[in-house]
Amino acid sequence: AQSVSQHNHHVILSEAASLELGCNYSYGGTVNLFWYVQYPGQHLQLLLKYFSGDPLVKGIKGFEAEFIKSKFSFNLRKPSVQWSDTAEYFCAVRPQGGSEKLVFGKGTKLTVNP
Amino acid sequence: GAGVSQSPSNKVTEKGKDVELRCDPISGHTALYWYRQSLGQGLEFLIYFQGNSAPDKSGLPSDRFSAERTGGSVSTLTIQRTQQEDSAVYLCASSTRNTGELFFGEGSRLTVL
Repeated sequence: AQSVSQHNHHVILSEAASLELGCNYSYGGTVNLFWYVQYPGQHLQLLLKYFSGDPLVKGIKGFEAEFIKSKFSFNLRKPSVQWSDTAEYFCAVRPQGGSEKLVFGKGTKLTVNP
Repeated sequence: GAGVSQSPSNKVTEKGKDVELRCDPISGHTALYWYRQSLGQGLEFLIYFQGNSAPDKSGLPSDRFSAERTGGSVSTLTIQRTQQEDSAVYLCASSTRNTGELFFGEGSRLTVL
């Protein structure tokens, strides 16, 4: 079965620090990749997505992610985090050609201290 | 409103009772998903609808769980004979076909005592 692994359960940073959240998936075929974010008390929303083309994708609020096919990875990055980035981040994968469902990782909670 | 609407937002029930959770997707979205979010467990897929049919219901944890969608719009998730382990936030999302971008509702928090 397809699975998504997020390596860090909880990351604590100070403002202006750089961020990288790991995401690996297990599926050998073509996939669509997503990062969703859930701010405290809010619903999940899309941060960025990769379908094809340039493996470096840019999302909202200065976030970007790089798809490395050989490593089955889609890590999320931000050069300088802000207190308002405190949230839970979920990586998700949808294998192409199968069910339309998205398979989510368990999430990484990010706390940014001012 | 323009977003995915879920009701109730909170439900407290006694073990053994049945509950119904409702989802009203974004108008025009043909795909509808139910997920369950438990502390430390991420989002667990339950079922997916395309129109009124459910091509993938592989995530329903037991036969106590069922879901239906009528008119290509509103969906109801029913949990019969609730157990304490059913306590979680049940999330509904909708999307247009093949975009993969899901729009989530606020969720229904279920507590089984």
